[in-house]
Amino acid sequence: QVQLVESGGGVVQPGGSLRLSCAASGFTFSSCGMHWVRQAPGKGLEWVTFIQSTGGNDHSADSVKGRFTISRDISKNTLYLQMNSLRAEDTAVYYCVKDKHGDFSLDYWGQGTLVTVSS
Amino acid sequence: QSALTQPRSVSGSPGQSVTISCTGTSSDVGGYKYISWYQHHPGKAPKLMIYGVSNRPSGVPDRFSGSKSGNTASLTISGLQAEDEADYYCYSYAGSYTWVFGGGTKLTVL
Repeated sequence: QVQLVESGGGVVQPGGSLRLSCAASGFTFSSCGMHWVRQAPGKGLEWVTFIQSTGGNDHSADSVKGRFTISRDISKNTLYLQMNSLRAEDTAVYYCVKDKHGDFSLDYWGQGTLVTVSS
Repeated sequence: QSALTQPRSVSGSPGQSVTISCTGTSSDVGGYKYISWYQHHPGKAPKLMIYGVSNRPSGVPDRFSGSKSGNTASLTISGLQAEDEADYYCYSYAGSYTWVFGGGTKLTVL
C-alpha cells in the first residue's frame, strides 16, 4: 500500500535552515507529482510547494518562494524540502502528499513532521 | 494566493444534512474543475473525500457529495453521523501549478 513517511522536523532558530525528507513506497514514485502541505498550530491547511513527476521547475506559494526548495531523488524514492531563512510563521506540521494524476487532488498523505522555529 | 472562503463552523444533528460552501474567484474555483475536499481529524492525516468537484474515491460513503456553481463549490453531508465530526477543507487548482486551500470548516455533530 502507499506509504509516505516524513522525517527531519525539529526545532530551529529564526534565520536557520532545515531539510525535510519523505520516503515514498507502494507506488511508482517517478510517475507522480508530489506536494508539501503545512498546518500551523491552530490554523488551517496551507499548500506550500509542488514538483512534477518529471522534476524540473518547482512551484511554490508566495509565502515561501525564494526560501523553500522542493526536490526529489528517484533512485531513493525520496522527496525533500529544503527550508532556508526560516521564520517563526513557518512553524507548522509539514505533510508530504501525493498528487492524484489527472485531477490535481491529494490522494495520499504522510503523518506529518513538526517544524518549530523559535529562539 | 488568498485562501478560499469557508464558514468557520457548521453543525447538525445525527441524520440531518449540512452543506459547507467554499467561495473563491474566477482564477481558482470558478476557472477549473479541479476542486477537492478533505476531512481532517486532529492528529491524523487529512483524507480525500471528493475530487474533480463531485467524484468520490473508493470507500467514501455516498452520503458525501460535491457540487460547484460559478465561483462557489459546496460539500454536502447527508445522514450525519458522529464520526463525521471533523474539520473540512476545500482545495482548488489556481493555475500555473499552484493551488489554494479554504480556511477550513469545523463540523460539529450535535
